[in-house]
Amino acid sequence: GNSVTQMEGPVTLSEEAFLTINCTYTATGYPSLFWYVQYPGEGLQLLLKATKADDKGSNKGFEATYRKETTSFHLEKGSVQVSDSAVYFCALSNFNKFYFGSGTKLNVKP
Amino acid sequence: EAGVAQSPRYKIIEKRQSVAFWCNPISGHATLYWYQQILGQGPKLLIQFQNNGVVDDSQLPKDRFSAERLKGVDSTLKIQPAKLEDSAVYLCASSLGLAGATDTQYFGPGTRLTVL
Repeated sequence: GNSVTQMEGPVTLSEEAFLTINCTYTATGYPSLFWYVQYPGEGLQLLLKATKADDKGSNKGFEATYRKETTSFHLEKGSVQVSDSAVYFCALSNFNKFYFGSGTKLNVKP
Repeated sequence: EAGVAQSPRYKIIEKRQSVAFWCNPISGHATLYWYQQILGQGPKLLIQFQNNGVVDDSQLPKDRFSAERLKGVDSTLKIQPAKLEDSAVYLCASSLGLAGATDTQYFGPGTRLTVL
């Protein structure tokens, strides 16, 4: 079957720290992988995506690489800001069906 | 390009009452999704439409929830009667409906439902 597992939060970092949020998946075939972000009180926004193995998605200083050999899509950012505080969801799309992880809350302190 | 529109943004009802939510997807998007997001959890798919046909409603509590997408554009989700455990954010999303695995979902702002 298809599923997504992400690291549990909350993750608390100081401003300018390095961020990694782990995401691994199980899927048949060749899924697309996504990171969505949800700011307080808002809906989910697409942060980045990758559609095939070894692709790197990037946006707003965040990046993630589609690793088929380790079935992973870890989210990274070199220097987080207070404004990055949000909940981050890893997701996969396979045969036009979407599967979301449970979300990881990130708190960035000044 | 206008995003996914949802209304209302907030709704408070008492248990056993009825409630309806509306969603207007991005123009040209064939696929529409309704999700339920309980506080602290990821979105749970309730129903997925491709144009005006249902693709997946396996997790929709059909004894109380219903949804329709007349004319393949906007959609309504109804709960009748509501229970306390229905308190959640109801998210609507749409996508082009591309074949294969390359589709991307775009989400509306959600409707926060509180059942008292």
